[in-house]
Amino acid sequence: QKEVEQNSGPLSVPEGAIASLNCTYSDRVSQSFFWYRQYSGKSPELIMSIYSNGDKEDGRFTAQLNKASQYVSLLIRDSQPSDSATYLCAVNKGGSNYKLTFGKGTLLTVNP
Amino acid sequence: SQTIHQWPATLVQPVGSPLSLECTVEGTSNPNLYWYRQAAGRGLQLLFYSVGIGQISSEVPQNLSASRPQDRQFILSSKKLLLSDSGFYLCAWEGGSASPLHFGNGTRLTVT
Repeated sequence: QKEVEQNSGPLSVPEGAIASLNCTYSDRVSQSFFWYRQYSGKSPELIMSIYSNGDKEDGRFTAQLNKASQYVSLLIRDSQPSDSATYLCAVNKGGSNYKLTFGKGTLLTVNP
Repeated sequence: SQTIHQWPATLVQPVGSPLSLECTVEGTSNPNLYWYRQAAGRGLQLLFYSVGIGQISSEVPQNLSASRPQDRQFILSSKKLLLSDSGFYLCAWEGGSASPLHFGNGTRLTVT
């Protein structure tokens, strides 16, 4: 089982819809969870951090964490064409980020 | 605020040539620093991390090396490049335990 798994996509949604991106992880001791957005040819950009169970909202983005089920998700409301990118899930087992494991990313396409 | 600088942005090098990529961080002291590589169609691979001057940990045995001559400077080197060294090289920093990684703009290396 891969440590961090994401559906590679592509996930295609119409403009204005909700995009739902999912990530599962294998190590129950994981403590910190991050979502990064990576535009084609660019470096990853942090968009959300979440550390405890439940929802965390920031503008149009909501991160959801369920440690019992070992998944973390990212919802993007009112999706815009500018949201089209690859979204990387990253999970930290604890301590410094040399223990940070990235998923391979989900490609999201928002169609005008 | 903290900023991370990475250069050059693109590099084309012949097989067997040396490599030196540099990364500097501003606006923080004693950051943890990281070198990642992202090969085409693949996930982020941690190459090296450093928790202080002269302290380098390697995650993957290969023909690359890293050095940290100053607190906010991290250098990735190779004496002889291989075709398989082609990829997108990313420097990242983080300020402490469980805090997120922040990436530089990356260097796209093509070995010919």
